[in-house]
Amino acid sequence: DTEVTQTPKHLVMGMTNKKSLKCEQHMGHRAMYWYKQKAKKPPELMFVYSYEKLSINESVPSRFSPECPNSSLLNLHLHALQPEDSALYLCASSQDPSGNTDTQYFGPGTRLTVL
Amino acid sequence: AQKVTQAQTEISVVEKEDVTLDCVYETRDTTYYLFWYKQPPSGELVFLIRRNSFDEQNEISGRYSWNFQKSTSSFNFTITASQVVDSAVYFCALNQNNYGQNFVFGPGTRLSVLP
Repeated sequence: DTEVTQTPKHLVMGMTNKKSLKCEQHMGHRAMYWYKQKAKKPPELMFVYSYEKLSINESVPSRFSPECPNSSLLNLHLHALQPEDSALYLCASSQDPSGNTDTQYFGPGTRLTVL
Repeated sequence: AQKVTQAQTEISVVEKEDVTLDCVYETRDTTYYLFWYKQPPSGELVFLIRRNSFDEQNEISGRYSWNFQKSTSSFNFTITASQVVDSAVYFCALNQNNYGQNFVFGPGTRLSVLP
């Protein structure tokens, strides 16, 4: 089973709101990822967690705050977002962080709209 | 530096036609991995295939086949007897062995299969 789940599917928030995106996998994968995808563009990597520790932050603004409470769960906390942050946010996981060419399995994404 | 080019932005075919999606990559490393993902309108990226640089054998999986040619740095994807359900954006991606967990995605090819 190669399933990554994400909630919510859709999210509309104002620029002063605080919200969180959630991602879960039960494949025993030890690397988890957040990507941002704008319309008609490929996904762009935001963060990577390896063994529950943040290993890559691709210079993402601090209004995005990732959290990895355990090996199955990944959150993305959102605060004071801008309209240009509206996008599809994809979570992915892969088996072995040290095997950095592992296949990444993606969730269905959260479609975020910032008003 | 790594780079992936998918020169075809959009392709339209009629059902049952064969279609080939092109992928050309650039890398200085001798060890690297290539991937194809499918993104239907629902948004989830679906893993299709992973191929390492030492394995130039072509692969066939049902109606899907892949042609890997190191001499031309290409990893093309053919769908035989296309179906409406094949309509999606297809991404080719590259990762080098020592480049960390950051996939380089191509810009994607939008395939529309018309009934």
